[in-house]
Amino acid sequence: DAGVTQSPTHLIKTRGQQVTLRCSPKSGHDTVSWYQQALGQGPQFIFQYYEEEERQRGNFPDRFSGHQFPNYSSELNVNALLLGDSALYLCASSFRGVNTGELFFGEGSRLTVL
Amino acid sequence: QQQVKQSPQSLIVQKGGISIINCAYENTAFDYFPWYQQFPGKGPALLIAIRPDVSEKKEGRFTISFNKSAKQFSLHIMDSQPGDSATYFCAASMSKGNEKLTFGTGTRLTIIP
Repeated sequence: DAGVTQSPTHLIKTRGQQVTLRCSPKSGHDTVSWYQQALGQGPQFIFQYYEEEERQRGNFPDRFSGHQFPNYSSELNVNALLLGDSALYLCASSFRGVNTGELFFGEGSRLTVL
Repeated sequence: QQQVKQSPQSLIVQKGGISIINCAYENTAFDYFPWYQQFPGKGPALLIAIRPDVSEKKEGRFTISFNKSAKQFSLHIMDSQPGDSATYFCAASMSKGNEKLTFGTGTRLTIIP
């Protein structure tokens, strides 16, 4: 049973560029959440997708956007990259009908903005 | 009010000892408190979780103690092993379909022989 898979694992961008990160949820899961983890910090909630709609959003600017596809996979897009966007971006999946909070995380996409 | 405060930032424990990590929260709407373990280069993995209707939950060497009145909860790792060396995050969320987790800042645990 494949867990949460994310791609790419590492990428380097320059300021002002745009990036797209991808996530495939664990089999049987229908909800995808994205988190940003800065170095030495805990993950910060960006947003959550369920039934192809953004259901919740954390305190992140509109430069951060996402999408969920009919197969439950998801993308995170970040426009106009800033140096401060350098972080590990984590995708987490869950099944909405089960206990809240039992998220399964992927290994993340490490974004470096130069 | 959404913060979860975690301490200590780092912890060194001798093999076989007890590791204790503490967290405090302010939002009384939180009703689910998981602990996550993260190894370098990996995503966080759920270790153990508790809801406020119980004061303690034990799974193997890992125990969560929960004090609802003090709005505090802690992770105890008994008989700590070198393989337990990792970063531990406490977190909190509200139920009713809300999986948004608010994480603490993490504790880097090192178990020495």
